[in-house]
Parts: sequence; structure tokens; C-alpha cells
Amino acid sequence: EVQLVESGGGLVQPGRSLKLSCLASGFTFSNYGMNWIRQAPGKGLEWVASISSSSSYIYYADTVKGRFTISRDNAKNTLYLQMTSLRSEDTALYYCARHDYYSSYIPGWGYWGQGVMVTVSS
Amino acid sequence: DIVLTQSPTTMAASPGEKVTLTCRASSSVSYMNWYQQKPGASPKLWIYGTSKLASGVPNRFSGSGSGTSYSLIISSMETEDIATYYCQQCCSTPFTFGSGTKLEIK
Repeated sequence: EVQLVESGGGLVQPGRSLKLSCLASGFTFSNYGMNWIRQAPGKGLEWVASISSSSSYIYYADTVKGRFTISRDNAKNTLYLQMTSLRSEDTALYYCARHDYYSSYIPGWGYWGQGVMVTVSS
Repeated sequence: DIVLTQSPTTMAASPGEKVTLTCRASSSVSYMNWYQQKPGASPKLWIYGTSKLASGVPNRFSGSGSGTSYSLIISSMETEDIATYYCQQCCSTPFTFGSGTKLEIK
């Protein structure tokens, strides 16, 4: 069974840093690209960052570029999101999701974690 | 960046009613994905590649569209369909989502 379990969230002051983790199990982690997506309280979904299976390709949303770093450790089956210079608008539930290909070529995110809450407040 | 505009923002449908949710893209996209999210739960891939149902999705759901206009259709509304539905363009970064349509039961 595919499982994605996020951790590392919490309350942090503006300007500080936080590192999220997403532990994967039930599949060969090193074969899949991964994504971070966030959802502010009562709001919609916002894509944050993506990383390819070997870390060769990394992409960020403009809203986090230069402040957040996505990375992975395939030996530990773990995806990371290092967040620095945090702002109140980064307050959200952060999900990790697996990047799948359906019908061989159509991208989709078929597996999501339960999410981890990050609150940026003084 | 491709902006996705969903309409309506909220709608209420009666059991058995046909429902159509719309997603319009600011420029042409190859495919559209749809996600279902129920309160307190993580999103689920619902429709991929514009018209293909994800595993376990009831066949009263369908998807259609091309270019800049896409739809998610429920042929006969059921109580279990109450959720927020998000469209997402899957194939070029940034992987933008629409703002969602909240579907309620009348």
C-alpha cells in the first residue's frame, strides 16, 4: 500500500525557517517524481514545488522561489521541503504527492499524504 | 503562467440532477486533471487526461473539453458527490489549479 506521511510542521515566527519531511512507503520511491502542494486555511490548492526521481529537475512556484528548497534522499525514501524567510502567507496545510503517469504519458498526482500544518505567526 | 478559472464557485444540486462544472484556461492546455476534496481529507485524483476516470470513480462522472475549455459532468447527482472539485493543468510548470467549485446537495 502506498503511503506518504508528512512531518515537521508547527508554529514558527515570521522570518524563521522550518523543514518538512515526507516519508514514503509501499513503492519504489526512487522511481517517482514528487511534489509539494499547500492549502491555506479555507482556501484552494497551490502547487509549491516538484522534483524528479533523481533530483535532476526541480521546479518552484514563483511565490516560494528563492526561499524554499525541495530535495530528496532516495536511500531514506524521504522528500523534504526546506522553508526559509517564512511569511504569514505561507501558513497552510502542506501536502506531498507522488507524480504518476497515467496511460503511460498523462501526468497526475494519484497519491497524497494527509498533510502537515505550518503556521507562521508571531 | 496559465490561469484556470472555475465556475460556478459554489453550486447546489438535487439528487438525480445532472451537474456540469466548468474550467477555463487562459491559454490552451493539452489535458486537464480534476481532483475531488472532501472536508478534512486530502485531495483525490478524480479525472485525468481530460476524460479518463481515476480508479474507483463512479461512471456517473465524465470529463470533456479541449483547448481552453473543460468540463466535469455528473450525470446524476448523489449525496456522496458533495465535495470541492479542482481542475489542474498537468503538463507545464507552474502546475496551476483552479480555485475550485464547491458542490452541495439541495
